[in-house]
Amino acid sequence: DTEVTQTPKHLVMGMTNKKSLKCEQHMGHRAMYWYKQKAKKPPELMFVYSYEKLSINESVPSRFSPECPNSSLLNLHLHALQPEDSALYLCASSQDFSGDNEQFFGPGTRLTVL
Amino acid sequence: GDSVTQMEGPVTLSEEAFLTINCTYTATGYPSLFWYVQYPGEGLQLLLKATKADDKGSNKGFEATYRKETTSFHLEKGSVQVSDSAVYFCALSNTGGFKTIFGAGTRLFVKA
Repeated sequence: DTEVTQTPKHLVMGMTNKKSLKCEQHMGHRAMYWYKQKAKKPPELMFVYSYEKLSINESVPSRFSPECPNSSLLNLHLHALQPEDSALYLCASSQDFSGDNEQFFGPGTRLTVL
Repeated sequence: GDSVTQMEGPVTLSEEAFLTINCTYTATGYPSLFWYVQYPGEGLQLLLKATKADDKGSNKGFEATYRKETTSFHLEKGSVQVSDSAVYFCALSNTGGFKTIFGAGTRLFVKA
């Protein structure tokens, strides 16, 4: 299984809602990532988890809260988002950081904040 | 800091034309280099990679050679198809590093 799955595919939420994005991989990868991608731009790194511990937070606003319950799962909890947070949210995984760091991406969640 | 520069698009080609997308990089150490492709409405997929100087990555008719002397990793394909229409990202990652640095992306349109 070389797949990273993400749910939901699409999400529409109001600025006062709380929602969560979910990511799962069963490749035994020990590094997992959240990226944000705006239209016609490259992915921007948000968070990196290494061995289930948060290793990098790229100064992301606290209305985004990541969680790594186990080595296969990665969540992104959303609360009080702004319309400018509308984007494609991509999850990725890689084996670890000892090699070339080839990343496997999920299909993304298209988020719209009203 | 590390960076990747790739040619601006969009690039529009007719089917069976030759494709080159230029990519140059700035990095400390000896990074691994990647080309990722993003088809409309999808996430990124690894297209090919090279981990050391003079390595050639290849996949699905695409090729790129890691040139340390010119700090380049240009993507080429001899005969493009309509199905190759996508956005192509050049990227680098240093061994043991947490981050992958992406170029801005080049959008390719292939006409039948």
